[in-house]
Amino acid sequence: DGGITQSPKYLFRKEGQNVTLSCEQNLNHDAMYWYRQDPGQGLRLIYYSQIVNDFQKGDIAEGYSVSREKKESFPLTVTSAQKNPTAFYLCASSLQGQNTEAFFGQGTRLTVV
Amino acid sequence: GENVEQHPSTLSVQEGDSAVIKCTYSDSASNYFPWYKQELGKGPQLIIDIRSNVGEKKDQRIAVTLNKTAKHFSLHITETQPEDSAVYFCAGGGNKLVFGAGTILRVKS
Repeated sequence: DGGITQSPKYLFRKEGQNVTLSCEQNLNHDAMYWYRQDPGQGLRLIYYSQIVNDFQKGDIAEGYSVSREKKESFPLTVTSAQKNPTAFYLCASSLQGQNTEAFFGQGTRLTVV
Repeated sequence: GENVEQHPSTLSVQEGDSAVIKCTYSDSASNYFPWYKQELGKGPQLIIDIRSNVGEKKDQRIAVTLNKTAKHFSLHITETQPEDSAVYFCAGGGNKLVFGAGTILRVKS
C-alpha cells in the first residue's frame, strides 16, 4: 500500500541524548515536512524539504536537524539542544510544495525523561 | 508571515445538529485553505480544501466557504454523527501551510 510511515510510534529517551525519528514515504512525493504538535496548539513547522539534498528551516527549527539523502526518507534528529523535546511529532509529504494536499504519517510520541 | 486563528477551541453539539468552525488568516497572498480531521493518536487527514478562486465547496455533509475580502474561511458540518467527533484543523498558505490551533468537536448522541 502507498503511504507515509513513521517509526516508532512511541519513543522514550533520557534527557541529554539525541534521538532520530524515522519518516518514509512511497508516494513518490517531492516535498516532505516535519511538524510538532503540543496540546492546545496547532501544528508547528520544524523543517521542510522540497527536493532531495535540500531542506529549509521552519518556524521552530532550533534544537532539531534533518537530512534528505533520498526522496523517500526524511529523518528528524531531536538534539540535546532542544529545551522541551517531549511532544507528538508528525511527518507529512506532498506532491509539490504549494497548494496540494499534505499526507500525514501516524505520528511519533516522544517522551524525554 | 502567515498567521491563522481558529475558533472555537472546543465545540459540543447534539447528534444531527450542524457544527461550524471558523478561521481567519493574515496573509492576503495565501491561496490554499485545507481542513484536516485528526482522530485520537493518529495523523491528520484532509477532509476538504478550497482554493482562492472559489467561494464555496461542498462534499456531502461537509462544506467550506471562503471570504477573501474579509480573510476568513469556515467549515460547516451538517447532520453531525458521533463519528464526526475529532480535532479539526484549518490551514492556510502558499509555499508552506500554517495551521490553526485546532477545534475539539464532540458530537453527543
